[in-house]
Amino acid sequence: EADIYQTPRYLVIGTGKKITLECSQTMGHDKMYWYQQDPGMELHLIHYSYGVNSTEKGDLSSESTVSRIRTEHFPLTLESARPSHTSQYLCASSIGWADQPQHFGDGTRLSIL
Amino acid sequence: QQQVKQSPQSLIVQKGGISIINCAYENTAFDYFPWYQQFPGKGPALLIAIRPDVSEKKEGRFTISFNKSAKQFSLHIMDSQPGDSATYFCAASLYDKIIFGKGTRLHILP
Repeated sequence: EADIYQTPRYLVIGTGKKITLECSQTMGHDKMYWYQQDPGMELHLIHYSYGVNSTEKGDLSSESTVSRIRTEHFPLTLESARPSHTSQYLCASSIGWADQPQHFGDGTRLSIL
Repeated sequence: QQQVKQSPQSLIVQKGGISIINCAYENTAFDYFPWYQQFPGKGPALLIAIRPDVSEKKEGRFTISFNKSAKQFSLHIMDSQPGDSATYFCAASLYDKIIFGKGTRLHILP
C-alpha cells in the first residue's frame, strides 16, 4: 500500500557509529522531506529537497546530512551517532509545493545507546 | 508569525460523540490548511484539507470549519468511533513551507 519506504524500521546502535537511514519513493515526486518526531509528538522539519542535487536545511538544526542523487532516493546520514539523536525519523514526499499533500513513510525509530 | 497553535493537547470522547480539535494561525498568507492523522507506529496520513476561500469542507464524518477573519480552523469528527483514536495534526502552508501544530491525542471510549 505504501509508496514511500523507510529502512530500517528500528535501529539500536552504539554511540559513535555512522548511520544511514534510507528513504525511497516510487511516485516520482520531486519534493522530499525529513522530519524528526518524538513518538506521537510534534513534527520538526530537519531537511528537504526540491529535486535531484537539491538539499536544504529545515527549521530544526540537525547534525545529520542528506543527499539527493536520484529522484526516488533521499537518504539521511549521521556521521557519529550520539544519545541525543535518539528519536523517530519520518521521510515524506510531495508532488508539488506545500499546498499538495505530503506522503509519509512509517518512520525509523532510532535508539543510540 | 509562523506558528500554528493547536488545542487541546489530548481529548477523550465517548463513542458516537463529536470530537473537536482547534487550530489558530497568525500569518494571513497561509494558503492551504491540511489535517493529518497518525496511528501509533505509522507515519501521518492526509485526512482532509481546505483552502482559505472556503468556509467548510466535509468528507464523510470529517469536517473542517474555517474562519478566515478569526484566523482559526477546526476539525470536527462526527459519530466518533474507537478506530478514530489517533494523533491529529493541523498544519498551514505557504510556498515551500508547511508548519505543523503540536498534535492532539484523541481517544474514543468504546
